[in-house]
Amino acid sequence: QQQVKQSPQSLIVQKGGISIINCAYENTAFDYFPWYQQFPGKGPALLIAIRPDVSEKKEGRFTISFNKSAKQFSLHIMDSQPGDSATYFCAASTNSGGYQKVTFGIGTKLQVIP
Amino acid sequence: DVKVTQSSRYLVKRTGEKVFLECVQDMDHENMFWYRQDPGLGLRLIYFSYDVKMKEKGDIPEGYSVSREKKERFSLILESASTNQTSMYLCASSLLGFVGKLFFGSGTQLSVL
Repeated sequence: QQQVKQSPQSLIVQKGGISIINCAYENTAFDYFPWYQQFPGKGPALLIAIRPDVSEKKEGRFTISFNKSAKQFSLHIMDSQPGDSATYFCAASTNSGGYQKVTFGIGTKLQVIP
Repeated sequence: DVKVTQSSRYLVKRTGEKVFLECVQDMDHENMFWYRQDPGLGLRLIYFSYDVKMKEKGDIPEGYSVSREKKERFSLILESASTNQTSMYLCASSLLGFVGKLFFGSGTQLSVL
């Protein structure tokens, strides 16, 4: 059972374009929604995160849009650059059985072409 | 700079072997995690630990065990490796109460032949 559904699995965007990755969740107990960026040969690294009491968060060219009623959130990469080519994972965390756990989406492989 | 170090980048083992994957973090984090990463399946949690000598099962613990004898070190053990355990294994750590902010190692690509 996939608790965090992520799409698309792969994405090709031209340099300067907008990259959009979407995620949806079912568990309303999720209270923290991070995005991770992973370059080949490296582990994922936290990119940006949002809490459900905020509808949008922006850090540089990266923006998270959050729709609590629809249980959806998305990552927008403005002015996409070849250096943004990586795999992006959305995630959600919640307390489960007294412990906080993080559930990841399946990942989106982004390729930004010059 | 924050660091999570995994002992091996690549590992090749035979079916039935006992395999140890080691992870060390230098950030004094309470929480440590083992994930496996497979194409099309994302990151799946195998085991985690919130304290020394403490362990909790994640979503896919079958065929694995863990050991945490010191705060900075978290080991993943494959008691009898099987071909379906061929995967990328990622160790991560975080501060207590900040589980969503994970720091990952670079991963160990394990091939079981």
